[in-house]
Amino acid sequence: DAGVIQSPRHEVTEMGQEVTLRCKPISGHDYLFWYRQTMMRGLELLIYFNNNVPIDDSGMPEDRFSAKMPNASFSTLKIQPSEPRDSAVYFCASRPSATGEADTQYFGPGTRLTVL
Amino acid sequence: KQEVTQIPAALSVPEGENLVLNCSFTDSAIYNLQWFRQDPGKGLTSLLLIQSSQREQTSGRLNASLDKSSGRSTLYIAASQPGDSATYLCAVKSGSGNTPLVFGKGTRLSVIA
Repeated sequence: DAGVIQSPRHEVTEMGQEVTLRCKPISGHDYLFWYRQTMMRGLELLIYFNNNVPIDDSGMPEDRFSAKMPNASFSTLKIQPSEPRDSAVYFCASRPSATGEADTQYFGPGTRLTVL
Repeated sequence: KQEVTQIPAALSVPEGENLVLNCSFTDSAIYNLQWFRQDPGKGLTSLLLIQSSQREQTSGRLNASLDKSSGRSTLYIAASQPGDSATYLCAVKSGSGNTPLVFGKGTRLSVIA
């Protein structure tokens, strides 16, 4: 398995532009998570899905952020309009419906976003 | 609200040294605790997962312990190698099912050859 795939790996954009980050979870995983990592705040959960349905979006910072999961193999995180304070590394992670030892998440390589 | 703290934020040791990374959490009612490794420019890789009923887990040169009552976990790395250089993150899950992980900010480890 190729693991969790994210694209693009790096994104540089100007303030006010729309940014779309993409994620392909591991096949067969029921849960998908979007995280944001910054030096100041560490790794923060933004939103997660179960069977393509958003379960908890309380970590989404504001209305400029939106996430979708149209099918089991694809999710997007969109920022519109982007601002310099959105600059961070955005991670996608997935996991199967889990109990016990299988209760871990598999992370993608991240997208480093820079908003100028 | 669960909070996870990792001290120190950064650590530099000579190759071959045994070392301990610390993690503390504010709410002792946890479901499990994980230690992750993050290499620069890459995602997180799970190293060890300790269930709330367990005291420790071992994998090779790594040993993670858990003391729920005191809200602490340690990651012990024996005979450190330059390849161990990475950021190590601790994450706590406070319930089963859909409860999300709460991460510490990590300890950045450098092992000097």
